[in-house]
Amino acid sequence: EDQVTQSPEALRLQEGESSSLNCSYTVSGLRGLFWYRQDPGKGPEFLFTLYSAGEEKEKERLKATLTKKESFLHITAPKPEDSATYLCAVQANSGYALNFGKGTSLLVTP
Amino acid sequence: NAGVTQTPKFQVLKTGQSMTLQCAQDMNHNSMYWYRQDPGMGLRLIYYSASEGTTDKGEVPNGYNVSRLNKREFSLRLESAAPSQTSVYFCASILSGVNEQFFGPGTRLTVL
Repeated sequence: EDQVTQSPEALRLQEGESSSLNCSYTVSGLRGLFWYRQDPGKGPEFLFTLYSAGEEKEKERLKATLTKKESFLHITAPKPEDSATYLCAVQANSGYALNFGKGTSLLVTP
Repeated sequence: NAGVTQTPKFQVLKTGQSMTLQCAQDMNHNSMYWYRQDPGMGLRLIYYSASEGTTDKGEVPNGYNVSRLNKREFSLRLESAAPSQTSVYFCASILSGVNEQFFGPGTRLTVL
């Protein structure tokens, strides 16, 4: 059974304090790993798709990396506007559905 | 281009009442999905439609029915609402294959 575990559940950072969020997964043939950002009261907003181990993608202060067992979302010099819940999801070769983790709630204080 | 739209935004039902949640997308996407999101549980797939004319059960389909009305619209029906169906419901769509899913703004449903 596909499984996605995100850690930590919650993270508090000071503005400028870099850190990483972890997404560990087990899947029977990875088709893609997705990162989303979700603000309170809104739907998830797409950030990245990673397809194979070793792949990296960047967007502003965010960088996503992928190994065969986990993905990291690195946040460099975060700002208060980066505060949100970050969701990780995997899609298996066998299906259409995304299997989501429970998310990491990030709070960046000035 | 509105993306994925959902109606209503909020709804309160009494136990046993029925209702339909509406979802529409204007991106010409092939596949559409319904998720529910509960505190501490993450997003769980209820039903999905890989293409017009097909629907399949997801992880938590009990108590729900769906209709893929056409390529644009995918509705979710609760025939007899229960308090356990209190949740935030999200609709999503995807063009095809391994592309990002676009999510709607959600419907916040409370069943008393």
